[in-house]
Amino acid sequence: DQQVKQNSPSLSVQEGRISILNCDYTNSMFDYFLWYKKYPAEGPTFLISISSIKDKNEDGRFTVFLNKSAKHLSLHIVPSQPGDSAVYFCAAPPRGGNFNKFYFGSGTKLNVKP
Amino acid sequence: EAQVTQNPRYLITVTGKKLTVTCSQNMNHEYMSWYRQDPGLGLRQIYYSMNVEVTDKGDVPEGYKVSRKEKRNFPLILESPSPNQTSLYFCASSPGQRQETQYFGPGTRLLVL
Repeated sequence: DQQVKQNSPSLSVQEGRISILNCDYTNSMFDYFLWYKKYPAEGPTFLISISSIKDKNEDGRFTVFLNKSAKHLSLHIVPSQPGDSAVYFCAAPPRGGNFNKFYFGSGTKLNVKP
Repeated sequence: EAQVTQNPRYLITVTGKKLTVTCSQNMNHEYMSWYRQDPGLGLRQIYYSMNVEVTDKGDVPEGYKVSRKEKRNFPLILESPSPNQTSLYFCASSPGQRQETQYFGPGTRLLVL
């Protein structure tokens, strides 16, 4: 049973437009969420995170929104660039700070067209 | 250069033939983990280690073993590989509790025939 879900396996966006990647979770014990970005033939790299005490965290072109009541988070990329084309994973550790046992979504492959 | 290395990068083997995938980090990190990535399932944690000689099961530990005899190395052992262990494997390390500082290796693609 996946506790973190990304229901869109792929997304295609025109360069310069907004990319919105979605993630849902079922475990109400999650209180910290992370987004990772993965290029082909490379390992994932950390992108941005958000604590459950916030509903928004912004870092340059990347913003993550958290809706706790809906158990939903989203990653916004504005403006999207071709170099953003990658697979994006959301992830969450259980409450209690055991950051070494946690759960990833299935990933969304973003294609930004020039 | 700070990095996590894995070897081999690609491996084709047969059912039942024991294999080891090595993982090494040069950042003096305490925490290390192994994941497998499968289509539609994302990354699933196999095992993790909080320090030398301290390991624990992740989400999908069946069929795998790990050891942490040295801080820098965290090998993944498949004693008797089966076709359902065909996957892309990632090793990762982090210096502490905050997961955003987790560094991943480049991955090992394993095919078990």
